[in-house]
Formats: sequence, structure tokens, C-alpha cells
Amino acid sequence: KAGVTQTPRYLIKTRGQQVTLSCSPISGHRSVSWYQQTPGQGLQFLFEYFSETQRNKGNFPGRFSGRQFSNSRSEMNVSTLELGDSALYLCASSLEREAYNSPLHFGNGTRLTVT
Amino acid sequence: DAKTTQPPSMDCAEGRAANLPCNHSTISGNEYVYWYRQIHSQGPQYIIHGLKNNETNEMASLIITEDRKSSTLILPHATLRDTAVYYCIVANTGNQFYFGTGTSLTVIP
Repeated sequence: KAGVTQTPRYLIKTRGQQVTLSCSPISGHRSVSWYQQTPGQGLQFLFEYFSETQRNKGNFPGRFSGRQFSNSRSEMNVSTLELGDSALYLCASSLEREAYNSPLHFGNGTRLTVT
Repeated sequence: DAKTTQPPSMDCAEGRAANLPCNHSTISGNEYVYWYRQIHSQGPQYIIHGLKNNETNEMASLIITEDRKSSTLILPHATLRDTAVYYCIVANTGNQFYFGTGTSLTVIP
């Protein structure tokens, strides 16, 4: 069974630009979550989608947005990029609706560098 | 959501058991304890999870105290490939995992 796939693996953008990252969950998984990882802040929750609906959102500005499609694939978008947005962006999927008994399975992330 | 406390770093000799502790004194009744590890530049890898009973799988064992306020992840025979940052997480019911700073485990040859 294929794991969580994230594309692209690496991305370099300039301040002020916008970027879209893609995530394909494990087949059959309907919940997709996004996390940002930086050396200073560690892993931080961005948002989570289930059946095309955002269920939870972390403490990030509105420049960070996402969506989920009917096939459970998800995208996240960051507009008006800032230098501080440079990070590893991780997508995770899980099988069950209630996460507390369902492991998250992570992809290997997209490394975004903003110059 | 309940938070966890882990030692920042640990060493373990290759071939020996690695015992990684975690405190989660504010855990609530329906929250599970999850363990993940992350090797540099890769996504976190799921290891094991449990509610109150001890659990074992092909990777590790999870021992949860009776009061559920702490747990220990046991890697029975550590190898160099087990060198990683290990995260202990108490799951929020809203599918929002809080990752702390974890324990950096170094397996020494």
C-alpha cells in the first residue's frame, strides 16, 4: 500500500509570492492534516480536513489555507510568502473519523525555502 | 489538550534495550498515548499507541502506568538505525496532535 505522497519535495519561492503544496493520502484514508516544522517552533498543527470539510485549525494567519477534494487529496496554499514561512510542511492522513484511536501517517514533506 | 514531558536526549548502546520515558500527568480518560519518531529530513514515523493496557508490536513495546500519568517506550534491541527524535503525544480528540520537543536518542556502536 502506498504511503502518503507529497509534492513537490523541494520548493524555492520569493517573498510575496504564493505557493501550493499537494498531498495524496493513503488509499481509504479520509482525514488529512497539515503540519509545519521549523527548527525554532518544532512541529505545529496547521489544519485538518475530513470529507472535504475543515474540522480543526491551528494558530496560523489567514495566509495559510487548505482544501480537500472528493478523492481525499488535499492542497495547502500560502499566500504573500514571508521569510519565516521557510519550513518543512508535512501532510498526514488517518483512517478513522476520531483521531484518538487512529494513528496519523506522515509523508516526507515539502521543504519550502523563501528567499 | 494534555501535554507531555520527555528528557531532551538519551544514549543507548547498540543491541541493548532503549527505554524512553514520558510524563503525561494531565491526560484525560479517553486520550490515547502515541509514540512517533523522526529521522532527519523525513516525516514522523508512527511506532505504537495505547490507552491503558501495555502494547507490543514488531517495532516496540509501550508500557503505561496504572494511573496513566506516565509511559515508557521500549525498543528491545536498539540498532544504529533507531537513532532519531522520539515524540510522545497524547492525542487531542479533534485529530490535532501536539508534538513537544521529543527525546533525541543516539544509539552508540
